[in-house]
Amino acid sequence: ETGVTQTPRHLVMGMTNKKSLKCEQHLGHNAMYWYKQSAKKPLELMFVYSLEERVENNSVPSRFSPECPNSSHLFLHLHTLQPEDSALYLCASSPPGQGEDTQYFGPGTRLTVL
Amino acid sequence: AQTVTQSQPEMSVQEAETVTLSCTYDTSESNYYLFWYKQPPSRQMILVIRQEAYKQQNATENRFSVNFQKAAKSFSLKISDSQLGDTAMYFCAFMKGGGGADGLTFGKGTHLIIQP
Repeated sequence: ETGVTQTPRHLVMGMTNKKSLKCEQHLGHNAMYWYKQSAKKPLELMFVYSLEERVENNSVPSRFSPECPNSSHLFLHLHTLQPEDSALYLCASSPPGQGEDTQYFGPGTRLTVL
Repeated sequence: AQTVTQSQPEMSVQEAETVTLSCTYDTSESNYYLFWYKQPPSRQMILVIRQEAYKQQNATENRFSVNFQKAAKSFSLKISDSQLGDTAMYFCAFMKGGGGADGLTFGKGTHLIIQP
């Protein structure tokens, strides 16, 4: 247990559905991240939020929409996904302060797009 | 941009043996951090060990230690007295320093199998 939780753990959705992934931490961290883990590929950074402001968007398609309403919660809103978006989506958080760079990961959401 | 290379897709050793996983990286940054993460079949990504680039001393955590060669841009992980529970994917990761919120750049991973 890292203190970072993700819901749901598994999600199956059609290409026309709209769903959201949720990440939560109560560790006092002020930066949160979304990563995508596909088979046969390295983990890919999708979004970074620091102090609830988005600081990085790695050219992610607009069908993925992040939201960070406060420093403890992070969402990834999904709509009109493609089968190639099927993957494990990992959330991470890191503490404030220079030098405190370690990221702690949640258990992930396994997404299947039909 | 940074790159991280793990050249061993899979390794298998007997329980209690010592195993070394290799990792090389490429960067023009002078201030950065390196990590090894473990991902068992449960898929939970767990931090194994962390190294600050400005520190010459190699990091150690119980049975886990690293051999950090900054000039060679090499960051290998040694697992001593390997245990069945060490079976997992191991990822080497890089992050720029500077105190900002930066993402991790991961290698493709090494699947380590500990045989009884």
